[in-house]
Amino acid sequence: RKEVEQDPGPFNVPEGATVAFNCTYSNSASQSFFWYRQDCRKEPKLLMSVYSSGNEDGRFTAQLNRASQYISLLIRDSKLSDSATYLCVVSSPGPYGQNFVFGPGTRLSVLP
Amino acid sequence: NAGVTQTPKFQVLKTGQSMTLQCAQDMNHNSMYWYRQDPGMGLRLIYYSASEGTTDKGEVPNGYNVSRLNKREFSLRLESAAPSQTSVYFCASGEYEQYFGPGTRLTVT
Repeated sequence: RKEVEQDPGPFNVPEGATVAFNCTYSNSASQSFFWYRQDCRKEPKLLMSVYSSGNEDGRFTAQLNRASQYISLLIRDSKLSDSATYLCVVSSPGPYGQNFVFGPGTRLSVLP
Repeated sequence: NAGVTQTPKFQVLKTGQSMTLQCAQDMNHNSMYWYRQDPGMGLRLIYYSASEGTTDKGEVPNGYNVSRLNKREFSLRLESAAPSQTSVYFCASGEYEQYFGPGTRLTVT
């Protein structure tokens, strides 16, 4: 089993739709959780950190369920500019600092 | 406001050639990382450096060497390139959140 798994995608949704991404992780010692977005042929960029209480940033809401080892990202009122690949990232303490593990990503295409 | 910079952006090598990918960050981070990204595989850690003077192997270190030259710079060297090393290489830095450079697209023929 991969350490971080995500919905395989791709997701094709119309503008204005709400879309949800799911992510599960296997390492129960994981401490920090993030969503990154990656545009085609570009580097990953931090979208938001995910906190235990859940957090929201505009149209984006992230949730964490430690008991189920599950992370989610909800995008409301999706825009054309939201088209990208969304990466779930989990970090855990390693011998020399934080060990970051990236999920394979879920591609989103928002259609006009 | 450079963040993480990488050179070169593109490179084509023949099998057996060597090259060094350069990375620098201006955010005063202790930790720096090298990843490769292949279709369907996601980002895989090659090497990381928790601080100046230390380096450690990641998930896929074979065929690579690294040097943490100082706090700012972390280079990745391919001593004898192989077609299996055709990939996109990203450098990143950061202790809590990671910040990535723009990547190097390497093709080995």
